[in-house]
Order: sequence, then structure tokens, then C-alpha cells
Amino acid sequence: DTGVSQDPRHKITKRGQNVTFRCDPISEHNRLYWYRQTLGQGPEFLTYFQNEAQLEKSRLLSDRFSAERPKGSFSTLEIQRTEQGDSAMYLCASSPVLGSGELFFGEGSRLTVL
Amino acid sequence: GEDVEQSLFLSVREGDSSVINCTYTDSSSTYLYWYKQEPGAGLQLLTYIFSNMDMKQDQRLTVLLNKKDKHLSLRIADTQTGDSAIYFCAESMKDKLVFGAGTILRVKS
Repeated sequence: DTGVSQDPRHKITKRGQNVTFRCDPISEHNRLYWYRQTLGQGPEFLTYFQNEAQLEKSRLLSDRFSAERPKGSFSTLEIQRTEQGDSAMYLCASSPVLGSGELFFGEGSRLTVL
Repeated sequence: GEDVEQSLFLSVREGDSSVINCTYTDSSSTYLYWYKQEPGAGLQLLTYIFSNMDMKQDQRLTVLLNKKDKHLSLRIADTQTGDSAIYFCAESMKDKLVFGAGTILRVKS
């Protein structure tokens, strides 16, 4: 399977715990994106990387959120001290730098904070 | 997304055509996209159109772009029950995509 993969697919946690999601992009894609989607809404941009450099962060990304892409391949998104409002689907996508800009999405990681 | 607006819901009969509409705000968007999302799944790219085109056809899908009005539409011919899903319009903005809230398409057999 050469698509974008995310792990875990589902995570249930108690408020105040830390969670980490992993994304493995399509191997030849330089750019990697994190989006958040809540029920009835479209995906909202959180952050993106070009290779290992984090080039943009949304104001939605509070200081409890941190994303890394240490070797320019896979990425992690960590949420510290989770709150119920963090419950959402976290989507990862990748794209090549050159092209028509379309994003290739993974299946998402669904977070439920109790 | 606050910059991209779509109608919330569309219901059609199997075999009819579906037209999903979208308005966007950034006139400098180079590309505009349509994605499909089925329950519990990620987003799947359906098609995209370059901003200097008025129309693009791809099998049962036709995209129309009116740059003057910043209006984009997706027409699905001969709609099938398997087309039932949420459809998202998106515009390119500074190396990222901005999505609308999605249109739920329900196909009645």
C-alpha cells in the first residue's frame, strides 16, 4: 500500500492525558499536512512541513499541540493535557512540491476525549 | 472553512444528475478542487480545475468555474447510490487547501 497511513485509527483517552498520532506520507512527497475535522465541518488546517521544516502553523494549533517531522519522512502530532474540545478526526495528507497542489489524505485518526 | 461556502444537503433520485455548488473568496487561487468523503473515511480527490479554465469533464463529473462570481460547481451525471457521500469544495491558498463545510449528497433508489 503506497498511500498515506495513520496510526492509531481510533484513540479514546481521559481528559488531561497526552496522545500522539503518527503519519507516514507517500514516500516521494515532500510536503506533509495535518488537518482537524469535527462533525459537520470540513477539514481545518493545522500545520504543514516541507521536508523536515515546519513552514506554517494555524492559530488553531495551541501550545498544547506539537508536530514534528524529524527526518523529513513520517510525522507525529502530539496533544498534551487533552481537553474534551480536542475530540475530532485528525487527518494527515501529503503532496509533492510540484504539481497541481492536490493533497492525498490518509484515513484519519479519530480522537475521543472523555 | 470561512472562506469557502457550500449548501448543506442535496437529495436526488438514482439516475438523475446532481449539481453541488460552492463559492470561494480568494481570486488568486490557482486550483480549485472537489473531494469526496464516505462515512468514517478520509478524503478522496475527485477532480480539480485550473483557474484559467471554465470547464473540465471527467467521465460522469463536470466541473464549471465562474471566476468572475467566484463560483464553482460539480455536476454528477447518472447519479448512483454509491455516490452518496459528503462532497467538499476546496481552494488553494498559500501552499495549503481551504475547505468548505461539505455538502451531504443523498441518493434515493
